[in-house]
Amino acid sequence: NAGVMQNPRHLVRRRGQEARLRCSPMKGHSHVYWYRQLPEEGLKFMVYLQKENIIDESGMPKERFSAEFPKEGPSILRIQQVVRGDSAAYFCASSPDQVYGYTFGSGTRLTVV
Amino acid sequence: DAKTTQPNSMESNEEEPVHLPCNHSTISGTDYIHWYRQLPSQGPEYVIHGLTSNVNNRMASLAIAEDRKSSTLILHRATLRDAAVYYCILSTYSGGGADGLTFGKGTHLIIQP
Repeated sequence: NAGVMQNPRHLVRRRGQEARLRCSPMKGHSHVYWYRQLPEEGLKFMVYLQKENIIDESGMPKERFSAEFPKEGPSILRIQQVVRGDSAAYFCASSPDQVYGYTFGSGTRLTVV
Repeated sequence: DAKTTQPNSMESNEEEPVHLPCNHSTISGTDYIHWYRQLPSQGPEYVIHGLTSNVNNRMASLAIAEDRKSSTLILHRATLRDAAVYYCILSTYSGGGADGLTFGKGTHLIIQP
């Protein structure tokens, strides 16, 4: 049973480009969470999704950021027109429901140059 | 989520027990206490969680004060692989929850050989 898979592990984008981060949850997990970790900071919750639904996006920046978890395929975190301040590690976690703890992926490290 | 307070860093020797403290004086009666750890360049990893009673699993033990205003994560015999940042988190959910987990700065545990 593979863990939470995130790709790419490292992503470099120029300012103004788009970044797409992918997350495949563990088999049987229908709850997906995205977190961002800025350098030397703790993880900050961004968004919580279930299949085809955004449940809570209270941690998402109001502009340029969006997330989806389609019926088929991985969850996608999309950042449009990236800026240097978007440089961070982005972690995805999944769980089978709200009772069990998360399983995190290894993250995608985004560098904006 | 209620706030937790942890020491910035702690140091211990290999093969000795480690006691990581966490204060949560404003904890509510329904808050669960979660511990996660993050190894360098990895996503966080679930360690243990509890509500009122002490808990044991293969990784660690969680000792919860009678008034629940503090707790201690116990690593019974630390190894070099236990060197990580340890996060103590409160949540109204026993698992991930609908609003995610709030990670603070955690305790950086250093293990000396």
